[in-house]
Amino acid sequence: AQSVTQPDIHITVSEGASLELRCNYSYGATPYLFWYVQSPGQGLQLLLKYFSGDTLVQGIKGFEAEFKRSQSSFNLRKPSVHWSDAAEYFCAVGANTNAGKSTFGDGTTLTVKP
Amino acid sequence: GAVVSQHPSRVICKSGTSVKIECRSLDFQATTMFWYRQFPKQSLMLMATSNEGSKATYEQGVEKDKFLINHASLTLSTLTVTSAHPEDSSFYICSAATGYTEAFFGQGTRLTVV
Repeated sequence: AQSVTQPDIHITVSEGASLELRCNYSYGATPYLFWYVQSPGQGLQLLLKYFSGDTLVQGIKGFEAEFKRSQSSFNLRKPSVHWSDAAEYFCAVGANTNAGKSTFGDGTTLTVKP
Repeated sequence: GAVVSQHPSRVICKSGTSVKIECRSLDFQATTMFWYRQFPKQSLMLMATSNEGSKATYEQGVEKDKFLINHASLTLSTLTVTSAHPEDSSFYICSAATGYTEAFFGQGTRLTVV
């Protein structure tokens, strides 16, 4: 069975500071990995995804993530956080036979200080 | 890009009544649709997977008689919460996939049972 752990429940960063959100996954083969962002009361917006190839993935809104197989990690990064980045972030893993059937982590709430 | 529309975005119903939520893929044909449930401040939990023209596959612990899923066409899946009770109040999100690589999410439906 696949699983995802997001160790940080809540992170606070100052506007303009760098950000890293952690994600560890468990899956028996090469997984499909996703990062989503959710604003209160809204659906999910896909930030980026990893299927194969280059392990450093670029996404929207200036986000990037790095797949590290040896550490079973897929951490999300942004060099300079904007106040509008405050939201809930979810890491998800999908089976390579049906990536749409995703297992989500518990999420990390990002607060941005002015 | 691929657009998935959910309707309604918010619904309030009386205890004991049934409510139907629609999930439509607007610009692609979805062979598979997924239904998730999200409690406040929590992650998304997969409820069921539906393939067009066949019965839905429910996750363990999900009552199939309470949460009726129909995927009658390649662009429409519906979730009917039957005999709704206050504990069914939640945020329901659908996603739709055209293949095995990723699914696209709707904006969610906030169900409140009073």
